[in-house]
Amino acid sequence: GDSVTQMEGPVTLSEEAFLTINCTYTATGYPSLFWYVQYPGEGLQLLLKATKADDKGSNKGFEATYRKETTSFHLEKGSVQVSDSAVYFCARFAGGTSYGKLTFGQGTILTVHP
Amino acid sequence: EAGVTQFPSHSVIEKGQTVTLRCDPISGHDNLYWYRRVMGKEIKFLLHFVKESKQDESGMPNNRFLAERTGGTYSTLKVQPAELEDSGVYFCASSVRGRTDTQYFGPGTRLTVL
Repeated sequence: GDSVTQMEGPVTLSEEAFLTINCTYTATGYPSLFWYVQYPGEGLQLLLKATKADDKGSNKGFEATYRKETTSFHLEKGSVQVSDSAVYFCARFAGGTSYGKLTFGQGTILTVHP
Repeated sequence: EAGVTQFPSHSVIEKGQTVTLRCDPISGHDNLYWYRRVMGKEIKFLLHFVKESKQDESGMPNNRFLAERTGGTYSTLKVQPAELEDSGVYFCASSVRGRTDTQYFGPGTRLTVL
């Protein structure tokens, strides 16, 4: 069935370091792909999305490119800040007979130190 | 515009008791979803309402869980009787009619079953 696999972490970085969080998905159909973020004490927020192959989603300095050939949607940021400390979730949306179901990865905890 | 709200934010109950979680979607959103994250694992889909009708309840774990959305506005998720493995964070999300891919999440309810 549909699944999403992301690096488990936790990931600990110093401020201004480069961030990569890997995410791969099952290739069934033509899913839309998302990154959600959960800051401490808050709910899930949509960070960015891409709906088709080679699309690049971007927001708040974060980027992810929909790679169909490698079934990946890795999250990157060139220079992280302490305020980026949060849990990041990769997700796929299949639509069709899956209706409104989002399938999530297990989440990656990111901690950024000053 | 108010976002998705959930009540309570945290609930601690004894095994065998009943708990009811409530979700108020964004006003005007026909689609409402319930998800659950158990023990730091992936966030899993539970069910999807379109107005007051259950569109997809394939993720409901067993018959101890009952979701309702009377009148197509707020929704409740009742767990009766609660078991230890039900502990986790329950998220609610909503989306506008025809846009099930863009879901807005609430802050979640943390349920602890002792």
